[in-house]
Amino acid sequence: EVHLVESGGGLVQPGGSLRLSCTASGFTFNNYWMNWVRQAPGKGLEWVANIKRDGSEEYYLDSVKGRFTISRDNARNSVFLRMDSLRVEDTAVYYCGGGGGFLIDLWGQGTLVTVSP
Amino acid sequence: DIVLTQSPDSLAVSLGERATITCKSSQNLLASSHNKDFLAWYQQKAGQPPKVLLYWASTRESGVPERFSGSGSGTDFTLTISSLQAEDVAVYYCHQFYSAPLTFGGGTKVEI
Repeated sequence: EVHLVESGGGLVQPGGSLRLSCTASGFTFNNYWMNWVRQAPGKGLEWVANIKRDGSEEYYLDSVKGRFTISRDNARNSVFLRMDSLRVEDTAVYYCGGGGGFLIDLWGQGTLVTVSP
Repeated sequence: DIVLTQSPDSLAVSLGERATITCKSSQNLLASSHNKDFLAWYQQKAGQPPKVLLYWASTRESGVPERFSGSGSGTDFTLTISSLQAEDVAVYYCHQFYSAPLTFGGGTKVEI
């Protein structure tokens, strides 16, 4: 059975940092592009970043470029999101998602990040 | 960036009736090299992550009921629920996976 389990969310002050992790099981992880998608409370879905199967390509939402970094460790079936210079507007549930290409067809349950003074 | 505009924002449909959601893209999502539209539809129920219903605009994901169908090409797409069931209450999103940054429509809340 396919599982994506996110961790690392929590409460952080503006300007602070967090590192989210997502551990995968039940599928061949290194065959999948991996993504982070977020959803602010009561709002819609917003894609944040993705990374190619071998880690050779990364793409980001403009508003997080230079602040967030996506990475992966295929030996540990894990993808990460380092978030620096956090802002109040980064508050959201962050979902880890994967797909054979850019389509995201596997989703985790999400981890909540709250940025507040 | 590709902007997806969904309508309506919400709709109330009686059980057994048809629900129709439209999604308009600011750019052509038909990739000539694949002859496919890079457009997907997701369903998100309260407190759950999204679930893919359709991709390539009209290909149903495994296990998705036949009452869900997708149509359209290029810049205009439609999701149709032919006979609404109680378990279909959710928010529906269109999503383009044609190019980064990937984008979603604003969502359509479907209620009974």
